[in-house]
Amino acid sequence: QQQVKQSPQSLIVQKGGISIINCAYENTAFDYFPWYQQFPGKGPALLIAIRPDVSEKKEGRFTISFNKSAKQFSLHIMDSQPGDSATYFCAARGDTDKLIFGTGTRLQVFP
Amino acid sequence: NAGVTQTPKFRVLKTGQSMTLLCAQDMNHEYMYWYRQDPGMGLRLIHYSVGEGTTAKGEVPDGYNVSRLKKQNFLLGLESAAPSQTSVYFCASSARVHEQYFGPGTRLTVT
Repeated sequence: QQQVKQSPQSLIVQKGGISIINCAYENTAFDYFPWYQQFPGKGPALLIAIRPDVSEKKEGRFTISFNKSAKQFSLHIMDSQPGDSATYFCAARGDTDKLIFGTGTRLQVFP
Repeated sequence: NAGVTQTPKFRVLKTGQSMTLLCAQDMNHEYMYWYRQDPGMGLRLIHYSVGEGTTAKGEVPDGYNVSRLKKQNFLLGLESAAPSQTSVYFCASSARVHEQYFGPGTRLTVT
């Protein structure tokens, strides 16, 4: 199955709160899981990525958690800020030269 | 470095007209991609290229053609535009599949 299922579709968080976005996949051949951030009117930009042999990766306030047995991975944004308001896409790389993207989560952080 | 640039930024076409979208990158990347982004559907891959002179079909290739005559350029053509091709088109390039650099997008409306 060449799909990555992403939830929720939209998320509203108070400033200082934790934002959590979840993704699930079926294909065990996927070997790299990046997250992209897209601001309105801009192209997506790589935020953070993880390999399946690592359970967690942290970069500043952004953390990816990976559960290989459940075939799920999630993005946690700690101390969410209004500047984090954007659309977030999870993705997976299979045994080909392309990424499969989730459908995106629109995050709004209110002061 | 300009990164990834796309021309034009906006375009309105009538049904049946043709046009070419140009993507240029100055990072010497081998991989280049064309995506379309529609509300609620995430990023869907149209065509991609793994090097100069190569092209391959993505998830939604029908109605589009591509060419990669020079390493730095990737052209997307619509031979006979249809209203269903109204979308925002993104080009991306990469040295590693999971680390894609996106252009600013082209907003296309077909009436």
